[in-house]
This record gives sequence, structure tokens and C-alpha cells, in this order.
Amino acid sequence: GAGVSQSPSNKVTEKGKDVELRCDPISGHTALYWYRQSLGQGLEFLIYFQGNSAPDKSGLPSDRFSAERTGGSVSTLTIQRTQQEDSAVYLCASSSDRTRNEQFFGPGTRLTVL
Amino acid sequence: GENVEQHPSTLSVQEGDSAVIKCTYSDSASNYFPWYKQELGKRPQLIIDIRSNVGEKKDQRIAVTLNKTAKHFSLHITETQPEDSAVYFCASNYGGSQGNLIFGKGTKLSVKP
Repeated sequence: GAGVSQSPSNKVTEKGKDVELRCDPISGHTALYWYRQSLGQGLEFLIYFQGNSAPDKSGLPSDRFSAERTGGSVSTLTIQRTQQEDSAVYLCASSSDRTRNEQFFGPGTRLTVL
Repeated sequence: GENVEQHPSTLSVQEGDSAVIKCTYSDSASNYFPWYKQELGKRPQLIIDIRSNVGEKKDQRIAVTLNKTAKHFSLHITETQPEDSAVYFCASNYGGSQGNLIFGKGTKLSVKP
């Protein structure tokens, strides 16, 4: 079946512009996560959606970052007024109650802020 | 805050040798410990995981051990092959939750033929 997909795969933007990154989780997965991975670094947790519960936003680095998940499926991560330090790969993952904890990752969006 | 420490950051072994990567965690409520493999330019993929009700789990050439008292767990790869070369990440679930994982900073494993 289809895995987690993300779009765009690459995004180049100018400093100060807003960007939107999209994640399509695996169908039926109730949990969705966003991570940031800077070059050669680990996975930095950003935000976590579980069903209809309020999202866990504890990893968002600043108020320029926000995310939505509409209809319990697709999610959009928005970065406003982008800065050069926002350049990274943004990874989305999803998991289901059935598989418990195992997260399936998307291919990521590589964001470059000039 | 909660933390997962991973060592070493880089590891180089000869093909056929064993590789061991160690992680420690701070949250005593954690009960799920996965290991992900990320090949260059690709997405992380789960290779093995262990829950706190067991001390060891094995899957062919890879095994994971867990010491809950000491709050550390390790990945063991035996008979390494060049295709094992990748970055490996350990993780634990924050607060014993169903979802939220805290990842270590990764270990870059290089297997020399």
C-alpha cells in the first residue's frame, strides 16, 4: 500500500517568505508527527497529532512555526517569515493504534532558505 | 527535559566484525525503544524495537538489549556487511506515551569491505 508522502520534495525560498509543507499519512493512521533534521544531525521533534486530541506542540522552536491537521488526515506545516536557520529536511511520520508506536516516515521536504 | 544520549557518534568496522551502539535515556516512564536506520538521502526506517517487558530481542543479525534499571539499551549488529553502512538512531517514548518519541543524535556506521 501507499506509504507516507510529502510535498514538495524540495523547496527553495527567500528569507522572510512563508512556506507550507504538506504531509499525507498512511490511510487510517491516527497519529502524525513532524520532525526537523538539519544536515548531519538527529531528528528534532516538532509537533504530534493524535486523533481528535489537542496536538502536542512542545517541540515547535518558535511562534513562526505552526501546523494543522484537517479531517484527521493531511497535515500542513507552515513556517512564517523564514530564516536561514530554518533550512533543513522536514520529515513527517504516521503511526496507527494497531501497530502502536512504530512510526513510518515520509521522504521529507528539503527546505533551503536563501 | 527528557533526553536520549547515543554513543558513539561515528563507528567504523571491518566487514564481518560486530558493531555495538549504546543509548541511555532519562525518563523512567519510557517503555518502548525503537532503532531506526537511515541510509544516505533516504527516510528513517524501523529495524528493530523492544518493549520494557523483555530484556533482549533478536532478529537475524541484529539484536537489542535493554537494562531498565540502568536506563540504557544497545543495538548489536553481527557479521556486518557493507550494506549495513548508514546512520542509526535510537529512541524512547516520552512519558511512556503511545506516540511521542525522543531520538538520539545518531551513529554513523561505516562497514569497510
